[in-house]
Amino acid sequence: TQLLEQSPQFLSIQEGENLTVYCNSSSVFSSLQWYRQEPGEGPVLLVTVVTGGEVKKLKRLTFQFGDARKDSSLHITAAQPGDTGLYLCAGPSQAGTALIFGKGTTLSVSS
Amino acid sequence: ETGVTQSPTHLIKTRGQQVTLRCSSQSGHNTVSWYQQALGQGPQFIFQYYREEENGRGNFPPRFSGLQFPNYSSELNVNALELDDSALYLCASSRPEDRASGNTIYFGEGSWLTVV
Repeated sequence: TQLLEQSPQFLSIQEGENLTVYCNSSSVFSSLQWYRQEPGEGPVLLVTVVTGGEVKKLKRLTFQFGDARKDSSLHITAAQPGDTGLYLCAGPSQAGTALIFGKGTTLSVSS
Repeated sequence: ETGVTQSPTHLIKTRGQQVTLRCSSQSGHNTVSWYQQALGQGPQFIFQYYREEENGRGNFPPRFSGLQFPNYSSELNVNALELDDSALYLCASSRPEDRASGNTIYFGEGSWLTVV
């Protein structure tokens, strides 16, 4: 069974701090995605990482895919209140029809 | 704005009742997937429809069923509702060829179902 474990589950920080969210699995994934979900809305895709060791940057967000394609991390630099939300990592199932999600990390950034 | 619309946005049902949730996919997207997201959890895959046929199913009982129509819109039906069915139900649309690029899918805002 493919599982994705995210840590930490909750994160409450002050504006300007840096943070890292982790997504780990014992299974190899062909790709991993990171989504952000705000209350009352569906998840919105932030990035897809495909190659082991890949690093992608999206403004203050840095995403990394592990060399073995079993883990990923999301690093936010100088967090802002607008970064508040639920961050989800997800990967395709072996059959390719489903996305397997982690339980998510709830981030709260206060000013 | 993802182009995926769901209805209704919120509803309350009584245990044992049946519910139908609807989804209109993004233009040109012929694949629709449904996910259940309980409070504090990540979404869980229910099933996927492609060209009006079920194309994959997660670990959900048969009382969860679906339909896809020729215009690619879709319905999720849940019979004999249980309290644990209370959740956000998400519809997502995609194209099969997006699989190679990492399954770029677009989620609707979801339908909040409360079973009392």
